[in-house]
Amino acid sequence: KQEVTQIPAALSVPEGENLVLNCSFTDSAIYNLQWFRQDPGKGLTSLLLIQSSQREQTSGRLNASLDKSSGRSTLYIAASQPGDSATYLCAVSLTGNQFYFGTGTSLTVIP
Amino acid sequence: SQTIHQWPATLVQPVGSPLSLECTVEGTSNPNLYWYRQAAGRGLQLLFYSVGIGQISSEVPQNLSASRPQDRQFILSSKKLLLSDSGFYLCAWRTTYEQYFGPGTRLTVT
Repeated sequence: KQEVTQIPAALSVPEGENLVLNCSFTDSAIYNLQWFRQDPGKGLTSLLLIQSSQREQTSGRLNASLDKSSGRSTLYIAASQPGDSATYLCAVSLTGNQFYFGTGTSLTVIP
Repeated sequence: SQTIHQWPATLVQPVGSPLSLECTVEGTSNPNLYWYRQAAGRGLQLLFYSVGIGQISSEVPQNLSASRPQDRQFILSSKKLLLSDSGFYLCAWRTTYEQYFGPGTRLTVT
């Protein structure tokens, strides 16, 4: 069974700082990896999707990388803003049909 | 564009009462649909997924069940709720590669 771990569980940074969130998974034969954002009491918003054949994806201030061989993905957030405060979740799919989620990193950006 | 709806948004139910949560998707046909539960301080747990009408796969045996009576409708049910059923229930659908989530239902069992 795929195990997904996210470190750190919580992170607090001052506004403007660049930061990296980590996601590791145990089975490297993934179909794809998806990063989500979750605001308190809300559903998940898709941020970035990386296919197994890709090494990174970028959207605005966000950059996600994937290293399948080491079972790791990182989400880089540049020039963090208070509006970035949320919980960030990564999810991996082995077959495209079943998704395994990490427990998330709770990010607080201090103005 | 595709939209996913869930209702109710919040629900407070006593132990032993029945449950019915509904999820509907607009703007797509024959979607793969998923039910997840997110308990306080824990990650998302996949409960059920469906690849078509009447086709349900269960990931975790428990007192919950799911049904898909129509192509874009997914229902989560229970005959008798337990305290441990409290949590945030999320419905999702999948495109070829990505998952998209509904707004969720907050269930509190008292």
